[in-house]
Amino acid sequence: NAGVMQNPRHLVRRRGQEARLRCSPMKGHSHVYWYRQLPEEGLKFMVYLQKENIIDESGMPKERFSAEFPKEGPSILRIQQVVRGDSAAYFCASSPSGTEDYGYTFGSGTRLTVV
Amino acid sequence: DQQVKQNSPSLSVQEGRISILNCDYTNSMFDYFLWYKKYPAEGPTFLISISSIKDKNEDGRFTVFLNKSAKHLSLHIVPSQPGDSAVYFCAASDGGGADGLTFGKGTHLIIQP
Repeated sequence: NAGVMQNPRHLVRRRGQEARLRCSPMKGHSHVYWYRQLPEEGLKFMVYLQKENIIDESGMPKERFSAEFPKEGPSILRIQQVVRGDSAAYFCASSPSGTEDYGYTFGSGTRLTVV
Repeated sequence: DQQVKQNSPSLSVQEGRISILNCDYTNSMFDYFLWYKKYPAEGPTFLISISSIKDKNEDGRFTVFLNKSAKHLSLHIVPSQPGDSAVYFCAASDGGGADGLTFGKGTHLIIQP
């Protein structure tokens, strides 16, 4: 039973390019969360999605960032026109339901470096 | 404004002794708290949680204590083992799961042999 799969593990982008981060939740999990960890910081909530729906995007920057979780396929976090400040580790987590009772299962993260 | 604070960036403990990691919060709406453990280059792993209706939850070597009046929780690890060396994050939720967790900045626990 594979855990939460994130790819790529490392992503290097030049300023102005687009970054696409993918997350496949655990089997049977229909809820996906994206978090960002800046250097020396804790994880910051970005967005919570269920299949085909964005439930809460209160942590997403207003511009350049978008997320989706289509009916088929992984969840995608897209960052357009990346800037150096976007360099961070992006973690995806999944849960079987919208409750934190059992704790999320996190993926290993995608480390984005903007050069 | 940090709603979940872990004031010790690092903590060094001798193997076999008790490790105590502390966490303070400011949002009185938080009613569920979790601890995660994180190794370098890996995602956080859920460790233990506690609901605000309890003041203690135990799971093997790990015990979490919650003091609601002080808005303080702590994670006790007894006895500490070398494999416990990691960064520990305290996280809190204001219920329902619709909103994300609010994390502290983490405490790097180092277990000395």
